[in-house]
Formats: sequence, structure tokens, C-alpha cells
Amino acid sequence: DQQVKQNSPSLSVQEGRISILNCDYTNSMFDYFLWYKKYPAEGPTFLISISSIKDKNEDGRFTVFLNKSAKHLSLHIVPSQPGDSAVYFCAASEGDTNAGKSTFGDGTTLTVKP
Amino acid sequence: DAGITQSPRHKVTETGTPVTLRCHQTENHRYMYWYRQDPGHGLRLIHYSYGVKDTDKGEVSDGYSVSRSKTEDFLLTLESATSSQTSVYFCAIRSGLAYEQYFGPGTRLTVT
Repeated sequence: DQQVKQNSPSLSVQEGRISILNCDYTNSMFDYFLWYKKYPAEGPTFLISISSIKDKNEDGRFTVFLNKSAKHLSLHIVPSQPGDSAVYFCAASEGDTNAGKSTFGDGTTLTVKP
Repeated sequence: DAGITQSPRHKVTETGTPVTLRCHQTENHRYMYWYRQDPGHGLRLIHYSYGVKDTDKGEVSDGYSVSRSKTEDFLLTLESATSSQTSVYFCAIRSGLAYEQYFGPGTRLTVT
């Protein structure tokens, strides 16, 4: 049973437009939600996170929204740039109750076209 | 830069041979993790460590063992490599208040 799901394997957007990446989860014990970005042949890099007590967190062009009742989060990138083209992983953690482990989704490949 | 290195970066080995991958960190982080990443899959946790000599299994631990004799080093061993263990392996440390993890550059392992 996959606890974190990214239902869209890929997304293509035009440069300058908004990219919206979605993630669903099933475990109500998740306390923190995170997004990572991964370029080919590199390790994932941490992008942005949100605590379960918040519904929005913003960092520059990146905003993460959390809807706890729907067990859904999304990452908005505005405006999208060609350098944003990468695989984006959604992750969730139960925090200290589970050694800070994270469960990852399968990823969404974002392509931003010039 | 969380100061995480992995060695080797690439390895080709034959079925049945033992393989050890090394993860090294320079910043004294307590928690370390080993993941594998396969096409169409996210990052799946193999084993993790919460201190020197303190380790536990993740979701895909069969066929793998780990050791952590020093804070800075976390070793992943495939006792007898199989073709199903062909993958990219990432090591990570945990840092920050939101349980974010910082990853090494990865090791691409091919088992022939």
C-alpha cells in the first residue's frame, strides 16, 4: 500500500506559466511534508517543506499548499523556468515518532519549454 | 552542501559477489539513510541508522546489511549481489527542523 502517491508521472508547461505538482497521502500520522528536486545523475535536493499545522508555505517562486482534510498537497512554481525541468519527489515524515524517516512518492518529471 | 560523499560512484559486479558501498559525512549528523531508486519508483528506504552501531531496517532491506562503526561512515553491503539489486543507491543525512534530508551524489550499481 503506497502511502504517498504522485499520480502524474509527467507534466509539461511553457516557460513563464505556473507549474502545479500534486501529491496525495494516506497516513494521518504524517507531520511534515517535503518536496525534493532531482536532476539526472545527481542526488535529490531539498526544495521546500510544510508542517501539518500550516496550510501554506512560500519560498520565492515555490509555494506548497497542504489540505489535510483531503490528504493532499501541491507544489506551485511561478513563474516556471527551463532550469526547473527535473524530477520532483513528494515526501512525508512522521517526525521523531518514526526516527524521522520519510516516505517518498514515485516522482513527477517536469519539463518547462522555452 | 551537507558534506556527503559516496564511493564508489559507479560499479559493475557479477551475480553472487559481495559489494560494499560507502557513505561518508563530515558534519556529525546522527541520522543516516540508504535508499535505492529504480525507474518508475521513488526512493525506497533500505536501512537507516540513528547512531553509532544503531541501525534498523527499511521497507526493502532483504539482501542488504549495514554497519556504522563511526559517526561519519555508513556502509551498505550486498552479501551476494543479484541482478534485481541493479539500481542507483543514495545515502542521506537528516538535518533541520522539518526532517529534511540531504543526499549524496549516488552510486550506480550494475549486477551482471
